[in-house]
Amino acid sequence: EDQVTQSPEALRLQEGESSSLNCSYTVSGLRGLFWYRQDPGKGPEFLFTLYSAGEEKEKERLKATLTKKESFLHITAPKPEDSATYLCAAPGVDYKLSFGAGTTVTVRA
Amino acid sequence: GAVVSQHPSRVICKSGTSVKIECRSLDFQATTMFWYRQFPKQSLMLMATSNEGSKATYEQGVEKDKFLINHASLTLSTLTVTSAHPEDSSFYICSARDSSRTGPLPSYEQYFGPGTRLTVT
Repeated sequence: EDQVTQSPEALRLQEGESSSLNCSYTVSGLRGLFWYRQDPGKGPEFLFTLYSAGEEKEKERLKATLTKKESFLHITAPKPEDSATYLCAAPGVDYKLSFGAGTTVTVRA
Repeated sequence: GAVVSQHPSRVICKSGTSVKIECRSLDFQATTMFWYRQFPKQSLMLMATSNEGSKATYEQGVEKDKFLINHASLTLSTLTVTSAHPEDSSFYICSARDSSRTGPLPSYEQYFGPGTRLTVT
């Protein structure tokens, strides 16, 4: 059974204080590792897809990386508007997503 | 690109009535859509997989007669909550997989709608 685990559950940062979120996965045949951002009361917003170990993708202050067992979402010099819950997910052969529980990031000004 | 809409964004209904929620892929075709439910401070819970032109498949514990799903076109899936009760109050979110992308491998990426807040009084 595919499993996705995220840590930490919550992260409180000062504005400008860089940090990383972890997503470890156990899947039979990786078909992509997805990162989403979810704001309260909204649907998840697609951020990145990573397919193979060593791959990196960036978007503004966010950078996602992938190894054979885990993915990291690095937040560089975060701003209060980066506050959100970040979800990682991996699809199964039936396209269903296995989600991690999410990391709630709070950035204080 | 890859925009998914939901309508309505919020709905309040009385106990015993039915409510229909629409999920549309605006700029791509989606033979497969998914319906999720999310409780406060919890992750998304998959309810069912909606397949264009065929019956939906439901996750264990989800009542198919209560949550009716119809996927009549490549861009529209609907979820009808029948005989709604207060315990059905929740945040419902759909997602869609872009099935129109070409290439040797299928696309597994899912794009989510903004969600529908259902309150049953």
